[in-house]
Amino acid sequence: EDQVTQSPEALRLQEGESSSLNCSYTVSGLRGLFWYRQDPGKGPEFLFTLYSAGEEKEKERLKATLTKKESFLHITAPKPEDSATYLCAVPSYNQGGKLIFGQGTELSVKP
Amino acid sequence: DTGVSQDPRHKITKRGQNVTFRCDPISEHNRLYWYRQTLGQGPEFLTYFQNEAQLEKSRLLSDRFSAERPKGSFSTLEIQRTEQGDSAMYLCASSLVLSGEQFFGPGTRLTVL
Repeated sequence: EDQVTQSPEALRLQEGESSSLNCSYTVSGLRGLFWYRQDPGKGPEFLFTLYSAGEEKEKERLKATLTKKESFLHITAPKPEDSATYLCAVPSYNQGGKLIFGQGTELSVKP
Repeated sequence: DTGVSQDPRHKITKRGQNVTFRCDPISEHNRLYWYRQTLGQGPEFLTYFQNEAQLEKSRLLSDRFSAERPKGSFSTLEIQRTEQGDSAMYLCASSLVLSGEQFFGPGTRLTVL
């Protein structure tokens, strides 16, 4: 069964304190891994797609990387406005592209 | 590109009432998905359409739930005889191709009293 697990569930950082979020996945045939950012009371906002092991994508203070079993979202010198829940998801291999989501990591960055 | 829109943003209803939500996808996207999200969890798949055809429904989607996408444009999700357990954020997403990026709307927050 396709499964996505994220850790930690919550992460509190001081402004400027770099860290990483983890997304472990089990899926029959990876057809991409997606990272989303979600602010309270809003829908997920698309950040990155990664398709193959070794691939990296960057956007401002965020960098996403992918291995055969997991993905990391690295946050360099975070700012308070980076506070949000970060979700990762994979498309289900045999079921029409529906996304299987992890439970998310709630990031809080304090000034 | 105006993005995915959903209406209403918030809905409060009494147990046993019927509710209907609307989703307008990005105009050229042929796939439309409905998800449900409860507090502290990631979104869970409910159903999806390719154009006007509903191709899959989750086991989470009981007989009280029905979704339509007439003419392959906007979609509606109806919940009949609402229950307190239906309280959640209902999210709509659209995509251009299979396994392509899915873009989400702002969601409809349903509260069943």
